[in-house]
Amino acid sequence: KNEVEQSPQNLTAQEGEFITINCSYSVGISALHWLQQHPGGGIVSLFMLSSGKKKHGRLIATINIQEKHSSLHITASHPRDSAVYICAVRGNYQLIWGAGTKLIIKP
Amino acid sequence: NAGVTQTPKFQVLKTGQSMTLQCAQDMNHNSMYWYRQDPGMGLRLIYYSASEGTTDKGEVPNGYNVSRLNKREFSLRLESAAPSQTSVYFCASSDGRVSEQYFGPGTRLTVT
Repeated sequence: KNEVEQSPQNLTAQEGEFITINCSYSVGISALHWLQQHPGGGIVSLFMLSSGKKKHGRLIATINIQEKHSSLHITASHPRDSAVYICAVRGNYQLIWGAGTKLIIKP
Repeated sequence: NAGVTQTPKFQVLKTGQSMTLQCAQDMNHNSMYWYRQDPGMGLRLIYYSASEGTTDKGEVPNGYNVSRLNKREFSLRLESAAPSQTSVYFCASSDGRVSEQYFGPGTRLTVT
């Protein structure tokens, strides 16, 4: 069993829909990262959080340490949000990466 | 301020050839990392350098060597390339152990 599981693996939605991507992990962590990988391949860090909730524009990330679960939400989704969203958790030193969720937003 | 740069962007090698992937960052970060990304899998850490002068193995170090040349530069060497090393390689840097990582654009390597 992978230490970091993301769901769904693939998600297709219409423009304007509210999007939720989930990340569950089985190890103790000091922080959790959400990153975005564009179709061209570039990887950008979106959030790093260790408790509660963070918001940046239309993106919201939450984490529940007790349940070992995090969610990434996108409000008013847009085709430019189409990308792979990756969850990674920080254990003792290294990051443990999820396999990613491929999101496609159709106009 | 270029962030993290990698060269080359693309490379095709024959089995047994060697090459070095270059990475540089201009953010004065202490830590640097090399990852590989294969289809359907998450990023896997090859080597990392917590600070100038130190390097450590990650999850998949076999077949690779690294050099932390100075604080800015961290290179990855394939001494004898194998088809299993066909992948996209990303370099990243961070300010410290528990910090956001900043990624380079990646190098797409094909070994035939």
